[in-house]
Amino acid sequence: GAVVSQHPSRVICKSGTSVKIECRSLDFQATTMFWYRQFPKQSLMLMATSNEGSKATYEQGVEKDKFLINHASLTLSTLTVTSAHPEDSSFYICSARETGGIYGSPLHFGNGTRLTVT
Amino acid sequence: SQQGEEDPQALSIQEGENATMNCSYKTSINNLQWYRQNSGRGLVHLILIRSNEREKHSGRLRVTLDTSKKSSSLLITASRAADTASYFCATVPNDMRFGAGTRLTVKP
Repeated sequence: GAVVSQHPSRVICKSGTSVKIECRSLDFQATTMFWYRQFPKQSLMLMATSNEGSKATYEQGVEKDKFLINHASLTLSTLTVTSAHPEDSSFYICSARETGGIYGSPLHFGNGTRLTVT
Repeated sequence: SQQGEEDPQALSIQEGENATMNCSYKTSINNLQWYRQNSGRGLVHLILIRSNEREKHSGRLRVTLDTSKKSSSLLITASRAADTASYFCATVPNDMRFGAGTRLTVKP
């Protein structure tokens, strides 16, 4: 089955530093990937839609300069949390849609990244 | 809202019992999907039901869809402790958006 690898699974960083999270589709190509943020016992909040070769589309209220998304290839999207602060601590998840897949085919999810900013 | 909304928010049952959770949505759909999320993990796709289908089975899972009521239900039969997770529905289009989910706890 389609596998999405998300790395790192956990990261602890100091306030003011930047952190990069990778989302990689291992056995399929993904023109579109999605980035989410999830607080404990809450739903996934869609942050942005990442499109290969073009600028990401951010949801309302998400700071694009703080959460930099790069989708430089059909198998890799990255989310960089810049100048991280403790309030950025959260669980970040990516998902990918297979290029050329049947309309409405399921999304494939990474296993998430637990970010803790101290 | 564009996404499906799950109900109840939380459900606690004993192992062996059946668990039923519901999803309501507001717009026309192409299909509806159910996902499971174990604590601290990503979502895993469980089952897809198309708009022209009324019921679908996969192992211990049974999904129904009523497009006239814009609702779906997910039934897990003979539940196990390993079924403890959050369950989300997603509607196509807009399947990248999720509601609050149903947190299912199956007690051994």
